[in-house]
Amino acid sequence: AQSVTQLDSHVSVSEGTPVLLRCNYSSSYSPSLFWYVQHPNKGLQLLLKYTSAATLVKGINGFEAEFKKSETSFHLTKPSAHMSDAAEYFCVVSDQKGFQKLVFGTGTRLLVSP
Amino acid sequence: NAGVTQTPKFQVLKTGQSMTLQCAQDMNHNSMYWYRQDPGMGLRLIYYSASEGTTDKGEVPNGYNVSRLNKREFSLRLESAAPSQTSVYFCASTLRGDQPQHFGDGTRLSIL
Repeated sequence: AQSVTQLDSHVSVSEGTPVLLRCNYSSSYSPSLFWYVQHPNKGLQLLLKYTSAATLVKGINGFEAEFKKSETSFHLTKPSAHMSDAAEYFCVVSDQKGFQKLVFGTGTRLLVSP
Repeated sequence: NAGVTQTPKFQVLKTGQSMTLQCAQDMNHNSMYWYRQDPGMGLRLIYYSASEGTTDKGEVPNGYNVSRLNKREFSLRLESAAPSQTSVYFCASTLRGDQPQHFGDGTRLSIL
């Protein structure tokens, strides 16, 4: 069975400082991993995805994530936070072997202060 | 450029009432999904349809039914609403299993 643990429910940063959102996963097979972002009263938007092609994945809006199999981690980073990055972020795992049923983490709310 | 469209956006029901949430996608996607989102719990899969003509239960199917009306439309029905079904409901679709899912903006449902 697959599972995802987002290690922080809330992360607060100042504008212009780095962002780190942490995610650990568990999967029986080679996983697909995703980060989605949700702005208030909106649906989820894909930030980036890992599907075994490259361990460092670049996404939209300057975000990137690194797949580390030895640590079963897929942390999301951004060098410099912007006020518009304030949102909820979800780490998601999918089993590549089967039909794509996603398992979501509980989310990390990113707060960005001026 | 609509993507995934959900109707209604908001709804308030009384316990025991029934209602159908509608979802339509215009991306010619094969697979469609219904999720519910509750505070602190992420999204949980209610039902999914891998392709037109098929539907299967997800993690939390009790109290819900679905219909894959055609390739574009996938509806979610609450036959007898309960307060525990107060949630935000999201519909999603994808072309195939290795592609990301595209989400609608959600239906906010309150049951009194």
